[in-house]
Amino acid sequence: QVQLVESGGGVVQPGGSLRLSCAASGFTFSSYGMHWVRQGPGEGLDWMASIHYDGTNKYYADSVKGRFTISRDNSKNTLSLQMNSLRAEDTAVYYCAKYGCSGGRCYLDYWGQGTLVTVSS
Amino acid sequence: DIQMTQSPSSLSASVGDRVTITCRASQSISNYLNWYQQKPGKAPKFLIYAASSLQSGVPSRFSGRGSGTDFTLTISSLQPEDFATYYCQQSYSTPFTFGPGTKVDIK
Repeated sequence: QVQLVESGGGVVQPGGSLRLSCAASGFTFSSYGMHWVRQGPGEGLDWMASIHYDGTNKYYADSVKGRFTISRDNSKNTLSLQMNSLRAEDTAVYYCAKYGCSGGRCYLDYWGQGTLVTVSS
Repeated sequence: DIQMTQSPSSLSASVGDRVTITCRASQSISNYLNWYQQKPGKAPKFLIYAASSLQSGVPSRFSGRGSGTDFTLTISSLQPEDFATYYCQQSYSTPFTFGPGTKVDIK
């Protein structure tokens, strides 16, 4: 069965950096796009970034463009999110999600359990 | 960017009630519209894609309709396990924005 396990969350000071990882199993990782979605405390879902199955194309929300970098290692079935210049408003649970498609319509069909990032001095 | 809105933001209902949630896009997105369910402390669960196609394993009491800018999610007979927050999401263009959510709680 599909499993996505995030790690790397923690407490970091404003301006600091953190690298999140998402270990994937139960599907052919190298065949699917992947996404990061975050959720601030008591807030809704906020799409952050996506990467094509082969890593060639990457997309970001304006709020993190230039600060966050999404990447993947298909040999290790791992998705990553490098987060730099962190701000208090980046405090959230970060989810990785698998991108699925059917009939040309795409969606986030499997999600990890999330990892909490807290930006605070 | 495409903005997504949902109404109502919350609703109270009883087991067995029929519940409808509305999602609206700021521009036409054809049927590039997905629905997710999230329970407190849990990851979102994928329910519906292409506005009306049920993900495998999702109970048939869930249904979706719409195209263009206006969409609905209907639960035909609310069950205890359906009390949750529901989010719509457009997959027409990046950023793949979510609606703000609709919380369904027990009356």
